[in-house]
Amino acid sequence: DQQVKQNSPSLSVQEGRISILNCDYTNSMFDYFLWYKKYPAEGPTFLISISSIKDKNEDGRFTVFLNKSAKHLSLHIVPSQPGDSAVYFCAASASTSGTYKYIFGTGTRLKVLA
Amino acid sequence: DAGVIQSPRHEVTEMGQEVTLRCKPISGHDYLFWYRQTMMRGLELLIYFNNNVPIDDSGMPEDRFSAKMPNASFSTLKIQPSEPRDSAVYFCASSLLASGTDTQYFGPGTRLTVL
Repeated sequence: DQQVKQNSPSLSVQEGRISILNCDYTNSMFDYFLWYKKYPAEGPTFLISISSIKDKNEDGRFTVFLNKSAKHLSLHIVPSQPGDSAVYFCAASASTSGTYKYIFGTGTRLKVLA
Repeated sequence: DAGVIQSPRHEVTEMGQEVTLRCKPISGHDYLFWYRQTMMRGLELLIYFNNNVPIDDSGMPEDRFSAKMPNASFSTLKIQPSEPRDSAVYFCASSLLASGTDTQYFGPGTRLTVL
């Protein structure tokens, strides 16, 4: 049973436009969310995170939005650049539960077209 | 720092053979995680260690899988006997803490193919 779901396996966006990657979760205990980015033949690298006490976190071109009532988060990349082409993983944790685990989604492959 | 180091980068083996994957975490990190990436299930946590002690192995799929961490700078994930459905990319990650908000740093992964 996937507790973290990324329902779009792939997304193509034109350079300069906005990329929106979506993630849904089912466990109401999750209170911390992250996005990792993965290039081919490399390990995932941390991109941005958000705590459940916030509904938005911004870092340069990357913004993560959290809608707790809908159990949904999204990553916005504006403007998209060809170097953003990668697989993006959404992850969640119940940081106060003592389990210290991140639950990852299946990933969304983003392709930014020049 | 060199980051998390994994070896081998690629492993091709035949069904029934023993496979050993290796990981060197970032120096000073107290937590080490083993993940498996597949298309269907994404990144799955298999097991994690704190100060060389296994804390949670609930993600280990079967008894064919075992992991050890004999010291702070080395861990192994062993599959014996291997099966074609074990084919995946296996990642090792480490973190300074495992607070549920601490950044995990991943190695480049080992791509395992079991024929």
